[in-house]
Amino acid sequence: KAGVTQTPRYLIKTRGQQVTLSCSPISGHRSVSWYQQTPGQGLQFLFEYFSETQRNKGNFPGRFSGRQFSNSRSEMNVSTLELGDSALYLCASSAGQTSTDTQYFGPGTRLTVL
Amino acid sequence: DQQVKQNSPSLSVQEGRISILNCDYTNSMFDYFLWYKKYPAEGPTFLISISSIKDKNEDGRFTVFLNKSAKHLSLHIVPSQPGDSAVYFCAARKSGSWGKLQFGAGTQVVVTP
Repeated sequence: KAGVTQTPRYLIKTRGQQVTLSCSPISGHRSVSWYQQTPGQGLQFLFEYFSETQRNKGNFPGRFSGRQFSNSRSEMNVSTLELGDSALYLCASSAGQTSTDTQYFGPGTRLTVL
Repeated sequence: DQQVKQNSPSLSVQEGRISILNCDYTNSMFDYFLWYKKYPAEGPTFLISISSIKDKNEDGRFTVFLNKSAKHLSLHIVPSQPGDSAVYFCAARKSGSWGKLQFGAGTQVVVTP
């Protein structure tokens, strides 16, 4: 079974631009969660989508948004990029239907904002 | 508000010996706990998990212990191998939070020959 894939793996943007990151979950998984990892804040939860609906949301500004498609693939968008948005963005997938489901992570997208 | 804490930022252990990683949490609503291992520039890799209805779970060289009254869990790796050198994250989830994990800050493990 193929794992979680994320594209692109690396991205360089300038302040003020917007960016879209993509995540393809493990086949059969309906839940996709997004996390941001920075040296200062560690791994922080952004949001989770299940069956095309946002089911959980973290404490990030509205510049961070996401969506999920009918095939469970998910995209994350960051508008008006700031220098502090430079981070490793990770997505994780799970079946999302029981309390003991395990989340499996993709390799991440390294975003650098100049 | 850091609800999951890994107070040891680093751990050095000799090959073949036991590695013990600790994790404390403050939220009594957490009912599922996971350990992940991470190499630089890669995504976390799932290692082992434990539900709050258990106090121990074993999988090969990895054993996780949960002490609910102390809000403490630990990961034991026996025997430690050089390939175990990585950052280990403890994560916790509240009942009904589904895909929302809260992570500790991580512990860097170095296994020396």
